[in-house]
Formats: sequence, C-alpha cells, structure tokens
Amino acid sequence: AQTVTQSQPEMSVQEAETVTLSCTYDTSESNYYLFWYKQPPSRQMILVIRQEAYKQQNATENRFSVNFQKAAKSFSLKISDSQLGDTAMYFCAFMGTNNAGNMLTFGGGTRLMVKP
Amino acid sequence: DAMVIQNPRYQVTQFGKPVTLSCSQTLNHNVMYWYQQKSSQAPKLLFHYYDKDFNNEADTPDNFQSRRPNTSFCFLDIRSPGLGDAAMYLCATSVGHLDTEAFFGQGTRLTVV
Repeated sequence: AQTVTQSQPEMSVQEAETVTLSCTYDTSESNYYLFWYKQPPSRQMILVIRQEAYKQQNATENRFSVNFQKAAKSFSLKISDSQLGDTAMYFCAFMGTNNAGNMLTFGGGTRLMVKP
Repeated sequence: DAMVIQNPRYQVTQFGKPVTLSCSQTLNHNVMYWYQQKSSQAPKLLFHYYDKDFNNEADTPDNFQSRRPNTSFCFLDIRSPGLGDAAMYLCATSVGHLDTEAFFGQGTRLTVV
C-alpha cells in the first residue's frame, strides 16, 4: 500500500515571497503519478499541478513548480510570488498505475496562510 | 459553471436517522468517488463507481452504502449515522484514464446531533 506524508501541518508566508511545501511518499511501483491539490476555505478542491514519475523534468504551472526526486521519493511544491488567494489547504496525492479506478491516496495536508 | 454539484451543502441529521447525500456531474465522467474528510485531515476514500461497477474500500463501514442510478448521479446513504460520522463528504469524478485529474464538488458537511 502507498503512503503519503506531509510533515508540515501549517505554514505561513508573506505575500510576494516564495514558499516550499514538502511531501514524501512510499511505494513499490515504478510508474505512478503525483499531484498537488489545493482546497481553499469553503471551496472545492482543485488540481494545482501533476507529475508523471517516468518524466525527469519537473512540472511547472505558472507560479507553481515541483521538485521531484524519485530516488528519495520526495515531491515538494514551490509557490513563487505568493498571493493572498493562495491561502488554502494543500494536499499531496499519489496515484498508482495498478488500480483500475485511478484512486488517489492523499497526504495529511499542509495549511498555508499567506500574510499581507 | 459547477461541474460536480453536491446537495445539500450542509446537512444536519439525528443520531441513528438514515440520511442521503447526493452528487451530480455534468462532465459525463466514468468514475465517481465518495470521500470522507474529517476536520483538517486528508480525504479518505469510501468507495467508487467505475461506470456501473461498485468498488468498496476494505475499511469502509457497512453503515455506508452508495447508489449510482445513471452516469450523472451518485448517492451516499448512511444507514444509521453515529457521532463519529460527522464530517465533510466529498464527491469527485474522473474520466478514468491514468494521469487525469479528479474534479471535486464543494462537499456536504454532515452534522450528527
């Protein structure tokens, strides 16, 4: 079974600064997908960024980028130029390729507060 | 436009009184999921439907049931809610292919009194 660990329950960052959220995972699969989802207060969870394990290049989406270290089973999220709207819970998630329903295993989440 | 819609947003039910939460989608996705999310915790998968095929997680209590009468709708039935079932219930959908993102509804917050 896969496990996903987010070691930072809460973080804060000043507006316009950069913050990095950590995520580690454990799996015996060689190919899989990793995701970061954002859950703003009282709003639905949305996808921030995704990474395919067989791709060595780190994914980037505008101000969001990841540092994917496959050997270390680490998948951190960097948010550059933080904005007030980035305040949310962030969940790291794993999807293996051995399940027919494409089920996600989530980490415990990191609550990010962006301060003005 | 909302693509995964959960009703109601807030539900209060009495201890032991059956309750049904609903989810509808306009995306025509093959897979629909139900997650339970307790305060400040990770969503926990209860079960999912791949088309009409129902897949129950091994540790989902028998108290939780689900129905998917058609592609668009999926229901979560809690037969005898206990105080420990108070949580946010999230519905999500996906196409069913690898790598595709899951689309989530806003959730239904269930309170048991």
